Amino acid sequence: NAGVTQTPKFQVLKTGQSMTLQCAQDMNHNSMYWYRQDPGMGLRLIYYSASEGTTDKGEVPNGYNVSRLNKREFSLRLESAAPSQTSVYFCASSEEGQGDQPQHFGDGTRLSIL
Amino acid sequence: AQSVTQLGSHVSVSEGALVLLRCNYSSSVPPYLFWYVQYPNQGLQLLLKYTSAATLVKGINGFEAEFKKSETSFHLTKPSAHMSDAAEYFCAVSEWGGKLIFGQGTELSVKP
Repeated sequence: NAGVTQTPKFQVLKTGQSMTLQCAQDMNHNSMYWYRQDPGMGLRLIYYSASEGTTDKGEVPNGYNVSRLNKREFSLRLESAAPSQTSVYFCASSEEGQGDQPQHFGDGTRLSIL
Repeated sequence: AQSVTQLGSHVSVSEGALVLLRCNYSSSVPPYLFWYVQYPNQGLQLLLKYTSAATLVKGINGFEAEFKKSETSFHLTKPSAHMSDAAEYFCAVSEWGGKLIFGQGTELSVKP
């Protein structure tokens, strides 16, 4: 019973490098989300996808791009990594609703940018 | 815009003592509210949610929360803390369409 799977779990990058964080869910959820978690700031929404084929910006989208590849997969790309993007990144998914459906989270990707 | 404030970034209790984690929200409409728990090096797990069916909501692991509209609060409680409750706890309010606005988090320590 995998739920939400994120890869990789850890990554170290140099400033200016690019990479893609992968996320897949097996719960047939329509909605998917990317968050970043920083100490003392809770989780902040980067991008979300309400359904396959749609994506929208969240609170902190600058420096990121996303792709909703299909209903299962939602990837996050850093085109030119910066030290300020050092963080723990979480992917989540939920059933389509009016805000009453809980989100299910992956175990996170710990990203360090030197 | 909706927002969530968790009072106290760190709370310490003794094993067997009452746990009280505070959460206040701002919302112009009746909200959907959630408490999540995060154990070290893991993702967030749902503890409980309020969706207007009842003001006192029971969750997993003996936790419960009471929605008080007059105080715009949704505090999390557990009568007797256990060592395994040590974790970080997040309160969140849902916007239309399912986006979550999180509080800053409260780290709970449990002393033997």
